[in-house]
Amino acid sequence: NAGVMQNPRHLVRRRGQEARLRCSPMKGHSHVYWYRQLPEEGLKFMVYLQKENIIDESGMPKERFSAEFPKEGPSILRIQQVVRGDSAAYFCASSPRLGARKGYTFGSGTRLTVV
Amino acid sequence: DQQVKQNSPSLRVQEGRISILNCDYTNSMFDYFLWYKKYPAEGPTFLISISSIKDKNEDGRFTVFLNKSAKHLSLHIVPSQPGDSAVYFCAASEGETSGSRLTFGEGTQLTVNP
Repeated sequence: NAGVMQNPRHLVRRRGQEARLRCSPMKGHSHVYWYRQLPEEGLKFMVYLQKENIIDESGMPKERFSAEFPKEGPSILRIQQVVRGDSAAYFCASSPRLGARKGYTFGSGTRLTVV
Repeated sequence: DQQVKQNSPSLRVQEGRISILNCDYTNSMFDYFLWYKKYPAEGPTFLISISSIKDKNEDGRFTVFLNKSAKHLSLHIVPSQPGDSAVYFCAASEGETSGSRLTFGEGTQLTVNP
């Protein structure tokens, strides 16, 4: 009964490289959300996806960031040409349906460090 | 534009006493509120929630109070235990059909001393 699985747990990238963060939702969950936590701040919503569809990407930076949740496989958050300001903890959460607001389940996060 | 604010970055409490964590919000469209607990190097875990049609929800040692007129909610933990030491995040959402997007506060670090 695995929870939300995120990998890698830690990722170090040099400025200008690409970062790929993966999230496998809980079994039976078809809704995935990505949040970012900058140092000393709360979590900030980035994007909400269902299988093969982006539902709400209003929290995504306009450039360099993209997300997908293909029919098969994990959800991917992709950051191109990373900069130091991208260093943060990125959390994925999943829920079984729309509006499952009674606490959807978070993964343990990927800590991205840009050097 | 911080719509959910937790003004106390930290709180220290003695074991056995009550912990009260506070949260204020500005968006009157928020209709559902949640508290999450987070340990270092882990993701947030859901603790307790409350709908805007209620003013209190209780679950064991945890009680959440909502004052809609003041746009204020609080989490009470009694009695506090050392294992409760963690960062507590308040979160809010608006409308079931608006998706499940949550707006988080900055968090309060609770330390319960034995």
